[in-house]
Amino acid sequence: DQQVKQNSPSLSVQEGRISILNCDYTNSMFDYFLWYKKYPAEGPTFLISISSIKDKNEDGRFTVFLNKSAKHLSLHIVPSQPGDSAVYFCAAPRDFGNEKLTFGTGTRLTIIP
Amino acid sequence: NAGVTQTPKFQVLKTGQSMTLQCAQDMNHEYMSWYRQDPGMGLRLIHYSVGAGITDQGEVPNGYNVSRSTTEDFPLRLLSAAPSQTSVYFCASSYNVRGYGYTFGSGTRLTVV
Repeated sequence: DQQVKQNSPSLSVQEGRISILNCDYTNSMFDYFLWYKKYPAEGPTFLISISSIKDKNEDGRFTVFLNKSAKHLSLHIVPSQPGDSAVYFCAAPRDFGNEKLTFGTGTRLTIIP
Repeated sequence: NAGVTQTPKFQVLKTGQSMTLQCAQDMNHEYMSWYRQDPGMGLRLIHYSVGAGITDQGEVPNGYNVSRSTTEDFPLRLLSAAPSQTSVYFCASSYNVRGYGYTFGSGTRLTVV
């Protein structure tokens, strides 16, 4: 079963505007979440994480919000830049207490100049 | 600082052939994992290791073997290649720190004909 879901396969945003990527999860025991960014022909790159004891974590232009009651997290990119065009994956540990990650299916973000 | 190195970058195999995908990291990370990426399915965990001599299965382990004789190396063996194993394979490593993001290699694109 897909414990981490990204329901939007693609998203297009104008340069300079806000990009919002969404992720839903089913397991309320997940205690942290991560976002990865992937360019074509490269491996994923770790972007930002959030612990379940927080509802927000910010790193420069990137902010992740966590809504535990809705089992939903989102990644905000402000302002969006052409170099942000990539596939974004959210991930969470499969089981509490270990580090095996389960990934969503990804959202392809395209920033329009 | 090379990070995570995967070899080869590309490989074509015939059905039934065996091969080993190599993965090495120079960051003294305890955790190492193998993932495969298929269109529309995100990244799926094949095998996982928490340290030298310790391995565990992930979501899709059938047809693959791993071993971890050193901290640095985590090879993935395909025992008898099948067309269903055509995929892009990523190796990743991480410290034993909760929520610490994995560092991924650049991937091996495998085609089984």
